[in-house]
Amino acid sequence: GAVVSQHPSRVICKSGTSVKIECRSLDFQATTMFWYRQFPKQSLMLMATSNEGSKATYEQGVEKDKFLINHASLTLSTLTVTSAHPEDSSFYICSARRDGNSPLHFGNGTRLTVT
Amino acid sequence: AQSVTQLGSHVSVSEGALVLLRCNYSSSVPPYLFWYVQYPNQGLQLLLKYTSAATLVKGINGFEAEFKKSETSFHLTKPSAHMSDAAEYFCAVRVDRGSTLGRLYFGRGTQLTVWP
Repeated sequence: GAVVSQHPSRVICKSGTSVKIECRSLDFQATTMFWYRQFPKQSLMLMATSNEGSKATYEQGVEKDKFLINHASLTLSTLTVTSAHPEDSSFYICSARRDGNSPLHFGNGTRLTVT
Repeated sequence: AQSVTQLGSHVSVSEGALVLLRCNYSSSVPPYLFWYVQYPNQGLQLLLKYTSAATLVKGINGFEAEFKKSETSFHLTKPSAHMSDAAEYFCAVRVDRGSTLGRLYFGRGTQLTVWP
């Protein structure tokens, strides 16, 4: 079946540095990818919708300059957390779909810890 | 506006007992509804989905859910719980139906504990 790979699975970085998270669709071309953030014991919060070749659409309250999203190809989207702070520590999950009628496939998430 | 409310952040059942996880939705248009399961430090796995066909939807691992428009509910059930069912369960509603931007909005989740 379709698989979405997310890398890294865990990352620890120092405050003030930037971290890049990759989301790859392994056996299909994803026209749309979504990025979610999940706080401990809470739900997934949609951060942004990423369409290949165009700018990401951010949800209200999500800082575009803080969370840079690039969907450069049909199989890769990246989320860069810039100038990370401890409050950015969270579980980030991506998902991808082939087209509007296709099922959504989730990556296994990235645990970001900012010290 | 759309939203999902999951009643009960924690549900505990004995192995072999009925599992009932509640979900109510609010949507300005006919919704697509989903149930996902999440195991620790992993992504989400689709259990089942409602897409306006049969109101009783059967999913994987013996789970099923019934769409009740009059009650705006989409509760998840399983007749007999298994230890391996212990996980976090999320109900989700999809908007932008028919478009290429199928945003999913999730409920807060219900942690299911299964006692031996």
